[in-house]
Amino acid sequence: EAQVTQNPRYLITVTGKKLTVTCSQNMNHEYMSWYRQDPGLGLRQIYYSMNVEVTDKGDVPEGYKVSRKEKRNFPLILESPSPNQTSLYFCASSFGTSGRANEQFFGPGTRLTVL
Amino acid sequence: DAKTTQPNSMESNEEEPVHLPCNHSTISGTDYIHWYRQLPSQGPEYVIHGLTSNVNNRMASLAIAEDRKSSTLILHRATLRDAAVYYCILRGARGAGSYQLTFGKGTKLSVIP
Repeated sequence: EAQVTQNPRYLITVTGKKLTVTCSQNMNHEYMSWYRQDPGLGLRQIYYSMNVEVTDKGDVPEGYKVSRKEKRNFPLILESPSPNQTSLYFCASSFGTSGRANEQFFGPGTRLTVL
Repeated sequence: DAKTTQPNSMESNEEEPVHLPCNHSTISGTDYIHWYRQLPSQGPEYVIHGLTSNVNNRMASLAIAEDRKSSTLILHRATLRDAAVYYCILRGARGAGSYQLTFGKGTKLSVIP
């Protein structure tokens, strides 16, 4: 089944404790991205990746890191989480940027709470 | 960056058509108009997208104004499963081979049985 998976789905952590949220897709997509969703603010893009070893900042990159060492994986790293990073996080992927290929497939979400 | 404006909420009766509007007055010539929806407790789901011409697929139709400053997502017969937040999104170009999706606040569609 074609899908985007995220782990963990739920995480409660404390300020300053490094964490990684994994994202994996099995569709051979080139493009992957991370979003966060907060009440009243909608979805905002954190980082995106055009291909292996190519990443760029989205609208709200502060406090986050990403890496793209393999095509299928795009982990989101919070080196020193803070309470303002409490949010619902979504990973997404797509084939490319032209026409139908631009449809993004979203993962199920990771709900993160930083105390 | 080009932004979109949508009503916060709309209601529809089941099995009736629904027209969800979106304004994007600052759209640029290369921006695609995308629609996604998000059902409760799920990730967003692609609905439809277009550039200039009206588009139809199995889920919905997209009507784009001639000046491209507004568009309308049309659900031909709303079902209870269509109750979701609908996002109108502009996909711009930012450097060769890259893209950016700018999500609006979305319209929460309620479907009344």
